[in-house]
Amino acid sequence: DAGVIQSPRHEVTEMGQEVTLRCKPISGHNSLFWYRQTMMRGLELLIYFNNNVPIDDSGMPEDRFSAKMPNASFSTLKIQPSEPRDSAVYFCASSPIGGGWNTEAFFGQGTRLTVV
Amino acid sequence: AQSVTQPDIHITVSEGASLELRCNYSYGATPYLFWYVQSPGQGLQLLLKYFSGDTLVQGIKGFEAEFKRSQSSFNLRKPSVHWSDAAEYFCAVGSSGGGADGLTFGKGTHLIIQP
Repeated sequence: DAGVIQSPRHEVTEMGQEVTLRCKPISGHNSLFWYRQTMMRGLELLIYFNNNVPIDDSGMPEDRFSAKMPNASFSTLKIQPSEPRDSAVYFCASSPIGGGWNTEAFFGQGTRLTVV
Repeated sequence: AQSVTQPDIHITVSEGASLELRCNYSYGATPYLFWYVQSPGQGLQLLLKYFSGDTLVQGIKGFEAEFKRSQSSFNLRKPSVHWSDAAEYFCAVGSSGGGADGLTFGKGTHLIIQP
């Protein structure tokens, strides 16, 4: 398996524009997570899905952020409109559902978003 | 709510020297603990994890960590560091194995290796 795949790797956009980040989880994984990483706040969980259903979106900072998972192999994180303070690295991660030894999160390489 | 503290923002170690990165957690039940490493421009890679059993866990790249419930700690160690170990290290705690509801990460420790 190629691992968790995120696109694009880098995104530079102007303030006010819509930004869409994409994620393909590892095949067979039932849980998908979106994290945001900044110098000030470190890694923060934004939202996670189990079996394509959003379970907890309390980490989503504002209504400008939305996430979808239309099927088991694809998820998007959208910011509309984008603001300079949204500049960060956004990570997607996936894992199998359930506890036990094999429950760990596998991370993508991240999307570095710069809003100017 | 669960939380993780990594008290050291930066650590500098000479190549070949031993390393210990500190991690303290706060969690009401039995924690599931993880250490991840992030190389520049890369995603996070799992080094090791603790769910139960032996409190000394071995990971990849020669790392190990010891779970100490009495101290709420899960410190990462390596007997002899290599220049390639320079990276950002994150400790994380999760419930139900970290898969069902995500992980809470520490702020990270930046490891610098001196020649």
